Amino acid sequence: DAGITQSPRHKVTETGTPVTLRCHQTENHRYMYWYRQDPGHGLRLIHYSYGVKDTDKGEVSDGYSVSRSKTEDFLLTLESATSSQTSVYFCAIRNLAGREQYFGPGTRLTVT
Amino acid sequence: ELKVEQNPLFLSMQEGKNYTIYCDYSTTSDRLYWYRQDPGKSLESLFVLLSNGAVKQEGRLMASLDTKARLSTLHITAAVHDLSATYFCAVVMNRDDKIIFGKGTRLHILP
Repeated sequence: DAGITQSPRHKVTETGTPVTLRCHQTENHRYMYWYRQDPGHGLRLIHYSYGVKDTDKGEVSDGYSVSRSKTEDFLLTLESATSSQTSVYFCAIRNLAGREQYFGPGTRLTVT
Repeated sequence: ELKVEQNPLFLSMQEGKNYTIYCDYSTTSDRLYWYRQDPGKSLESLFVLLSNGAVKQEGRLMASLDTKARLSTLHITAAVHDLSATYFCAVVMNRDDKIIFGKGTRLHILP
């Protein structure tokens, strides 16, 4: 299995609280991505990173921020969680040539 | 804005039959991935297609990429129940390396 983990795996939080999800890789891959998966929408890109401190927005970035201070970690922060952010969040990594792309196990987030 | 359209979105088929899932996209790309997802699980990489005309096969699944037509296909030969899952295509944008997914095709194979 590719070396990619996500933490926490499950979280329940209240509306208005900040939440940070972590994606950690041991593959030294350049690209990292955060997606959310909701019924009827497939996977939608939130933010992605193409290197340390290099990030860009995806399709549904409002209400989310990211940081990548080192190659192995990509953090996703919900600044003030809302019920519409209840979802399953997946992290993915990809090497430069694009020949390898792997997904993490996912984080199920519930905002009450 | 890149659009990735998969069809059909739902497919119920008998074992032993052949079928094709289509993935077409709206912008320039020469890199495309296919994934499988089982209920409650993460995504498993099936195929990586990195050039026009690329064709990859694994067991009863075969994927191809036509970058000129902006179309990829996933062909299922003699389907078996174990192939029941949701299949996603994902397109890498040449411009900025964003990877955008189709909505997925939920495949149900009846024994």
